[in-house]
Amino acid sequence: DGGITQSPKYLFRKEGQNVTLSCEQNLNHDAMYWYRQDPGQGLRLIYYSQIVNDFQKGDIAEGYSVSREKKESFPLTVTSAQKNPTAFYLCASSMSRDRMTGELFFGEGSRLTVL
Amino acid sequence: AQSVTQLDSQVPVFEEAPVELRCNYSSSVSVYLFWYVQYPNQGLQLLLKYLSGSTLVKGINGFEAEFNKSQTSFHLRKPSVHISDTAEYFCAVSAWNTGNQFYFGTGTSLTVIP
Repeated sequence: DGGITQSPKYLFRKEGQNVTLSCEQNLNHDAMYWYRQDPGQGLRLIYYSQIVNDFQKGDIAEGYSVSREKKESFPLTVTSAQKNPTAFYLCASSMSRDRMTGELFFGEGSRLTVL
Repeated sequence: AQSVTQLDSQVPVFEEAPVELRCNYSSSVSVYLFWYVQYPNQGLQLLLKYLSGSTLVKGINGFEAEFNKSQTSFHLRKPSVHISDTAEYFCAVSAWNTGNQFYFGTGTSLTVIP
């Protein structure tokens, strides 16, 4: 089955620690995205990548970092510089950003809680 | 930049009653419109999408939506809801002049009352 796999589903972190959320897709999609979801605020874009070895900041990139070394993988690191990291994180992919070919496909999400 | 407004943050409705979830967007160019559903602690699942063509779009689970360009709206409807429709619903818009970036509304929580 094609899809997007996020891990871990639940993660607890102490203040001051960096954590990395995994996102893997086997849809052969070019574009990948990371969103943060907080109650009542919808989805906010953190980073996106259109192609391997290239990525751009979204609306709330401060305190986060990403890499795109392989087409299938787009891990997100939540650094200690992120002031309020407790949230639900969603990874998504789409066929291409250069032309509209359809919708975003989402993973099941990762819930990060800072203790 | 685009913006998406979901006018109702919470919508309670009795089982088997009809429901409409409202979505308005701001754009002066051609847009692509989407409705997603999210169940607790899960990702978003596409309900339906409008890319072009007929303004009435039918999706999964008996939902449909109508694209109204003059009113810049894309309201979601279902003639008879079930308990299993209880979830969060998100409207999203994308447009070619913003690099096809997706913009999401803040969501509408639909609660179906038995």
